Amino acid sequence: GAGVSQSPSNKVTEKGKDVELRCDPISGHTALYWYRQSLGQGLEFLIYFQGNSAPDKSGLPSDRFSAERTGGSVSTLTIQRTQQEDSAVYLCASSMGTGQETQYFGPGTRLLVL
Amino acid sequence: AQSVSQHNHHVILSEAASLELGCNYSYGGTVNLFWYVQYPGQHLQLLLKYFSGDPLVKGIKGFEAEFIKSKFSFNLRKPSVQWSDTAEYFCAVNMGAAGNKLTFGGGTRVLVKP
Repeated sequence: GAGVSQSPSNKVTEKGKDVELRCDPISGHTALYWYRQSLGQGLEFLIYFQGNSAPDKSGLPSDRFSAERTGGSVSTLTIQRTQQEDSAVYLCASSMGTGQETQYFGPGTRLLVL
Repeated sequence: AQSVSQHNHHVILSEAASLELGCNYSYGGTVNLFWYVQYPGQHLQLLLKYFSGDPLVKGIKGFEAEFIKSKFSFNLRKPSVQWSDTAEYFCAVNMGAAGNKLTFGGGTRVLVKP
């Protein structure tokens, strides 16, 4: 079946602008994760959604970052007032949400803030 | 703080050589362990995983890893590499107290020379 998809694949924006990144998880997966991959910091956890539970936002680096998941499926990561240090590849992953399990990653959105 | 360490940042070797990549984590509780691979231009893919049972796990493409609980290690091995194994390899750990999120090591870039 289809894997995790993300859009856009690339995004160039100017410092101070807001951006929205989208993730479509694998159908039937109830758990959804956002990670960030950057040169200086490696792969970092950002936020985790599991079903209807309150999301785990412990990895969000600042209050400029937020995410929502509508209808238990598609998720949007929003970065407000982007800064140059936000430049990174933003990865989305999903999993079954049943416990011990594998996370399947999407291709990522490469964000460049000028 | 809980962390995952990969000792080698870059590895260069010739085809048919053996490969071993180290991974250590700092967490005393139950863990789920993963190795992911990112081939050039592609997204993260699962190589293998350990949840419980036999500490020697076999994955795709001839890779295997051994969980040594006493050493907090999960090293990746392949007896004979191929040029197509050129990629970046990431160790990831799900630490029980942290929910389902993954903590990643810094990655190891492996270059296999033909």
